[in-house]
Amino acid sequence: GAGVSQTPSNKVTEKGKYVELRCDPISGHTALYWYRQSLGQGPEFLIYFQGTGAADDSGLPNDRFFAVRPEGSVSTLKIQRTERGDSAVYLCASSLQLVDTGELFFGEGSRLTVL
Amino acid sequence: LAKTTQPISMDSYEGQEVNITCSHNNIATNDYITWYQQFPSQGPRFIIQGYKTKVTNEVASLFIPADRKSSTLSLPRVSLSDTAVYYCLVGGGGATNKLIFGTGTLLAVQP
Repeated sequence: GAGVSQTPSNKVTEKGKYVELRCDPISGHTALYWYRQSLGQGPEFLIYFQGTGAADDSGLPNDRFFAVRPEGSVSTLKIQRTERGDSAVYLCASSLQLVDTGELFFGEGSRLTVL
Repeated sequence: LAKTTQPISMDSYEGQEVNITCSHNNIATNDYITWYQQFPSQGPRFIIQGYKTKVTNEVASLFIPADRKSSTLSLPRVSLSDTAVYYCLVGGGGATNKLIFGTGTLLAVQP
């Protein structure tokens, strides 16, 4: 596609449930980022991938959060045993290469609501 | 990682030039300075990036002094549609590409 695609755009779940959020980056982009944004806050870094490997996952808040990118393209953010505090917009971004440029292309985000 | 500091909010009127300054005292030698714009319910959008001196594109200019400890985003002749949150980021210099967003500056443009 022309841009970064994220699905679902909205997800409502109950506390304790498992959730998967998908990101389809721009074709050919080797770097992929996940951020989380709460209302009134800037995006909070979670993890980024270079190809298939997680280059930096230091932003993942705890072991309930996990992300994969098995073929170096689509990525899935997985959240186990969701908590109400996980409610936020989850943003995915990709960039052409993991070099000295900050030009990230963001998707529209997946809004997660945990009841 | 270099921390950035920006004003929380700014007000302006249509047709005025707006300058938003960001402080980044601990910027590393290889770090770039990048600005993003974010509208409600959308992901951030790249505006401009620079390393030193001045960079200009079709939407903005970025001024970076010699010591690189700050930068100023300049938006010429703003319109109502420029109302958004503007983020200054520092990084991408190779040591890590973990790009950190601050709280940003909410620019409100009034008629």
